[in-house]
Amino acid sequence: KNQVEQSPQSLIILEGKNCTLQCNYTVSPFSNLRWYKQDTGRGPVSLTIMTFSENTKSNGRYTATLDADTKQSSLHITASQLSDSASYICVVSASHSSASKIIFGSGTRLSIRP
Amino acid sequence: DGGITQSPKYLFRKEGQNVTLSCEQNLNHDAMYWYRQDPGQGLRLIYYSQIVNDFQKGDIAEGYSVSREKKESFPLTVTSAQKNPTAFYLCASSIDQAGRAEAFFGQGTRLTVV
Repeated sequence: KNQVEQSPQSLIILEGKNCTLQCNYTVSPFSNLRWYKQDTGRGPVSLTIMTFSENTKSNGRYTATLDADTKQSSLHITASQLSDSASYICVVSASHSSASKIIFGSGTRLSIRP
Repeated sequence: DGGITQSPKYLFRKEGQNVTLSCEQNLNHDAMYWYRQDPGQGLRLIYYSQIVNDFQKGDIAEGYSVSREKKESFPLTVTSAQKNPTAFYLCASSIDQAGRAEAFFGQGTRLTVV
């Protein structure tokens, strides 16, 4: 069964600190993996997208890594800011010729405290 | 501006009533999706459509119905058969039918049964 698991479920850190969120998946055949940021009551917004051949991608203070062999990804946030408080969702796409399926993780709720 | 628009943002429904959530996109995307999000939970797929006049059930389709008469529109009807409809509903679209492209999300509709 295609699954995406994220950890931790929630995380509280002080402003200015770094943190790393984890995503493990069992999606096959793998097409791509994306990290989204979802502010409360809003739609998710894409941070990074990675395909099988990419193992690191950065977007400002956000750096995503992908290990296709172990089927793991991480999202590292550097020098956190209060505006980073949100849910971070890992999304993996499976590709089956003309069909497609997008599998969402349950997200990590990150709270940044001043 | 191109984008995906959901309306209304907030919706209240009496028990036993059907209600329709609107989702419109002007991105010329072929694929469109409906997700449900409950507090502390990840997104769950209700229905998806990869082309006009065709749609497929997702993981939690019971109590919901959709139509795809136009490429730009993918309305979701929450029927009285849905026993626990109170949730946050997200619509998304993707340009690539194989799901390899990025999914763009609307801002969501929060449905409350009163």
